[in-house]
Amino acid sequence: GQNIDQPTEMTATEGAIVQINCTYQTSGFNGLFWYQQHAGEAPTFLSYNVLDGLEEKGRFSSFLSRSKGYSYLLLKELQMKDSASYLCAVVSNDYKLSFGAGTTVTVRA
Amino acid sequence: GAVVSQHPSWVICKSGTSVKIECRSLDFQATTMFWYRQFPKQSLMLMATSNEGSKATYEQGVEKDKFLINHASLTLSTLTVTSAHPEDSSFYICSARDPTRTSGDYEQYFGPGTRLTVT
Repeated sequence: GQNIDQPTEMTATEGAIVQINCTYQTSGFNGLFWYQQHAGEAPTFLSYNVLDGLEEKGRFSSFLSRSKGYSYLLLKELQMKDSASYLCAVVSNDYKLSFGAGTTVTVRA
Repeated sequence: GAVVSQHPSWVICKSGTSVKIECRSLDFQATTMFWYRQFPKQSLMLMATSNEGSKATYEQGVEKDKFLINHASLTLSTLTVTSAHPEDSSFYICSARDPTRTSGDYEQYFGPGTRLTVT
């Protein structure tokens, strides 16, 4: 089975940095995705990690440690538009995505 | 590229009726599509995997006779919620894989979702 954990909510100030952690225990691993989802909309792709280490893409970075079953998404220079739900998802051997419950990030002025 | 559309974007139906939701890949051929359901403030739960030309594979606990999936072409999969009840009210999202992509092989492209309300 799949077990993916991430915090339920986080709040931060505009311009600050927030780190969203995700731990997973899955049967089969072919990488980890981070998605952003605004209310009532579909998820949008942020990052994909399959090897250990840090991937940086503009204001967003994602880290993976396969041995620890751990990933984080780092959001820098927070903007109001970054207020959304952030979903951690693991890919299993049959291309299926298993999602965590999502972390709601609220950015305050 | 890699755009997925869904229709309708929202639908209201009466209890006991059936509703069909379409998922289309607009600029690529998708041999595999996925159907998810998302209840308020919860994450996406995979319902089934739809493969072109073959029967869908349903996740445990999902009734295949209630949620009929047809993947008749490489660009279209449909989900029919039969005899809908209020507890079926949810946000239904489809996604598709583009098998021709050499990078991001596991990436899924999501449709915009369909909000179903059963009264």
